Amino acid sequence: DTAVSQTPKYLVTQMGNDKSIKCEQNLGHDTMYWYKQDSKKFLKIMFSYNNKELIINETVPNRFSPKSPDKAHLNLHINSLELGDSAVYFCASSQAVTSGSQYFGAGTRLSVL
Amino acid sequence: TQLLEQSPQFLSIQEGENLTVYCNSSSVFSSLQWYRQEPGEGPVLLVTVVTGGEVKKLKRLTFQFGDARKDSSLHITAAQPGDTGLYLCAGVLNAGGTSYGKLTFGQGTILTVHP
Repeated sequence: DTAVSQTPKYLVTQMGNDKSIKCEQNLGHDTMYWYKQDSKKFLKIMFSYNNKELIINETVPNRFSPKSPDKAHLNLHINSLELGDSAVYFCASSQAVTSGSQYFGAGTRLSVL
Repeated sequence: TQLLEQSPQFLSIQEGENLTVYCNSSSVFSSLQWYRQEPGEGPVLLVTVVTGGEVKKLKRLTFQFGDARKDSSLHITAAQPGDTGLYLCAGVLNAGGTSYGKLTFGQGTILTVHP
């Protein structure tokens, strides 16, 4: 059983389209995150939810909108995709809201053409 | 300017050699983590250190947290080809208030161990 699973694994789309990435964790954690990894492998946090409540919202274009229907799920919707959005997006979860000990999904590689 | 400076960025060594990766900052962290990432996968947590001066060992890997909680090191003894991967240090800043689990990552070290 995969602890943190995200779909799809690969996403290829045209500029201007809207797309969503889904994430689910079966670890019973209260806190979930979205990270973006650029082409140089640098990871940067985008959002975090604790028990369905948004607690971290970094400087991310408002074209990106996270949504947490319940504490086991955190989805990411991206409107009007741009070339610069191409990256690998990782979902993660942690047991405690202040914990740096996080469990990551396998990533979604987004390519905007 | 990187909050966490990780060095070296690339390391290519022969099987059996020892190596050390460094993670430095001018900021204090409440905890520091080391992750390992393989191609096409997400980072996998190796260790968390929270106390200044703390040393943790995981088989051939030794992790140390600086006394002032501003730096950390990862030492691998007798490296093996299976150790090849991207090593990432990451920390939660000790910001006084609640930092939540906002991880700040270093730039990563790509380690290649040749047989």
